[in-house]
Amino acid sequence: AQTVTQSQPEMSVQEAETVTLSCTYDTSESDYYLFWYKQPPSRQMILVIRQEAYKQQNATENRFSVNFQKAAKSFSLKISDSQLGDAAMYFCAYRGNYGGSQGNLIFGKGTKLSVKP
Amino acid sequence: DVKVTQSSRYLVKRTGEKVFLECVQDMDHENMFWYRQDPGLGLRLIYFSYDVKMKEKGDIPEGYSVSREKKERFSLILESASTNQTSMYLCASSDGGTSGNTIYFGEGSWLTVV
Repeated sequence: AQTVTQSQPEMSVQEAETVTLSCTYDTSESDYYLFWYKQPPSRQMILVIRQEAYKQQNATENRFSVNFQKAAKSFSLKISDSQLGDAAMYFCAYRGNYGGSQGNLIFGKGTKLSVKP
Repeated sequence: DVKVTQSSRYLVKRTGEKVFLECVQDMDHENMFWYRQDPGLGLRLIYFSYDVKMKEKGDIPEGYSVSREKKERFSLILESASTNQTSMYLCASSDGGTSGNTIYFGEGSWLTVV
């Protein structure tokens, strides 16, 4: 079975600085998707970034980028120029490429990010 | 924008009550999911549905059932609520086809069972 591990329960960053959140996963599949979701205090889960396993190029979305190391099964999230609004729980998630009928997301336990002004 | 709406944000129910949590999505998505979120445990899948009247058990289905009579609506049912079902419940939906499609979440329903 696939598993997702986030080894940092909490992280803290100074406003305008850069922070990296770690995520490792375990799978025997070769084709899958990885996601980072953000959950602010409002509890609305918001997709931050997505990575297809077959793509070697790391995904980026504005200030958010990933370091995807397929062989190491590592998928870290880098937040540049951190802002107060980035404070939230961040979840790493895995989804196998099962097709339409399955493809459930498997989540890590989350990392709580605090941003200091 | 995709909207996943959960009918109740906060509920307080008594032990033994039958509880319905309703979820509606407005994007004609094939897949719908119910997750439970607990501190330190992350999100765990209860049930999911990939079509009307179709359902599959997730990781923690015990004590729960679901209903999907219409494509846009997916209900989670607690037949006899217990205190260990006090939790945050998140509904989600996604388009069918590739698993790369984004899963969209509702705002969550906080359930307290007393």
